[in-house]
Amino acid sequence: SQQGEEDPQALSIQEGENATMNCSYKTSINNLQWYRQNSGRGLVHLILIRSNEREKHSGRLRVTLDTSKKSSSLLITASRAADTASYFCAKDNAGNMLTFGGGTRLMVKP
Amino acid sequence: KAGVTQTPRYLIKTRGQQVTLSCSPISGHRSVSWYQQTPGQGLQFLFEYFSETQRNKGNFPGRFSGRQFSNSRSEMNVSTLELGDSALYLCASSLTGAGSSTEAFFGQGTRLTVV
Repeated sequence: SQQGEEDPQALSIQEGENATMNCSYKTSINNLQWYRQNSGRGLVHLILIRSNEREKHSGRLRVTLDTSKKSSSLLITASRAADTASYFCAKDNAGNMLTFGGGTRLMVKP
Repeated sequence: KAGVTQTPRYLIKTRGQQVTLSCSPISGHRSVSWYQQTPGQGLQFLFEYFSETQRNKGNFPGRFSGRQFSNSRSEMNVSTLELGDSALYLCASSLTGAGSSTEAFFGQGTRLTVV
């Protein structure tokens, strides 16, 4: 079974708008990672947030983590057509064993 | 710096055959993990190798196996292929070992089609 579950499963927005994706998980984590995947290709690492962190930023990306609610969110600000992709959260177990959620398919319309 | 290289990129096999996929990690990375991605099951962990030792294994049948060489390159093998083995197989390399959590760098994957 998948550890992280993303919500929504699909999201369609206009260029310039913000996109928010949520991820829930079931058991305690060491850290949680977000990845992007374009059209069934390889995954690109976006952000790693550790269990003792609450928020991290990288460019137009902002990730929050709420361990009490066992949830995380990824915010993409000022979205671009190039942000169109699937986004996955992954629970990181020690030993480099990632457990992925089902992903959110984001479409950004020009 | 070269990324993670997976070969071949595409493969078509017949049911009952076996297949070997290859992964060359980023230079200096000693951990290599394998994942299977299908539309129905999503991304699922297969196994992880570190310094030629399998440290973790996912919930897959024994037909799925792997190994890692002294130069950290890894191969995975699937024997007696079934139609359900059709998937994108992704390899990821990481710099550190157990107990340390770092980002994983993924290859472009091998698209396996079983007919």
